[in-house]
Amino acid sequence: GESVGLHLPTLSVQEGDNSIINCAYSNSASDYFIWYKQESGKGPQFIIDIRSNMDKRQGQRVTVLLNKTVKHLSLQIAATQPGDSAVYFCAENYAGGTSYGKLTFGQGTILTVHP
Amino acid sequence: DADVTQTPRNRITKTGKRIMLECSQTKGHDRMYWYRQDPGLGLRLIYYSFDVKDINKGEISDGYSVSRQAQAKFSLSLESAIPNQTALYFCATSPGQGRSGANVLTFGAGSRLTVL
Repeated sequence: GESVGLHLPTLSVQEGDNSIINCAYSNSASDYFIWYKQESGKGPQFIIDIRSNMDKRQGQRVTVLLNKTVKHLSLQIAATQPGDSAVYFCAENYAGGTSYGKLTFGQGTILTVHP
Repeated sequence: DADVTQTPRNRITKTGKRIMLECSQTKGHDRMYWYRQDPGLGLRLIYYSFDVKDINKGEISDGYSVSRQAQAKFSLSLESAIPNQTALYFCATSPGQGRSGANVLTFGAGSRLTVL
């Protein structure tokens, strides 16, 4: 079946380092991908998204890279800060017909930033 | 005030009891969703509604029902709660198809349900 998964369930970095969180997806028909951040006790918050017609998109301190050849997605966080400590989820969607807006989420990666 | 409000935030109940989790939104979004989160399993879709007259089953709808009372309100019910429904439940909203950010979900803070 269709699934979205993560290579590393946990990631620990030092403050100021760059972080890379990876995600693999299996549905080659997926054409939209999104990253969420979930802090303890809160709901997931949107970070950045990317459509399949792009291979890179940048936001504030974050970059998402999409490699459709190997069905891989990554989130890069520059100059990681303690406030970036959270669980990060990737999600995918096939934006066709009634699937539009229905996201399939990965398991999540726990990012811990040490001062 | 939060854009997506869930009540209750925490609930402990017993097996066999009927439970309702409520969600209201001030985003003006057409689409609303209920997700369940379990450790190590990410978020799984229970039910979703693309407008007031539309209700659709998600990945794990068995044991749950929903009601879309108005554009701004979407409730999730467990008719007879069982222990394996112990989880964190999230309501989310998104704009309709063709609108800016159509696929971006805005989540509530979650409702933690424990079934004993």
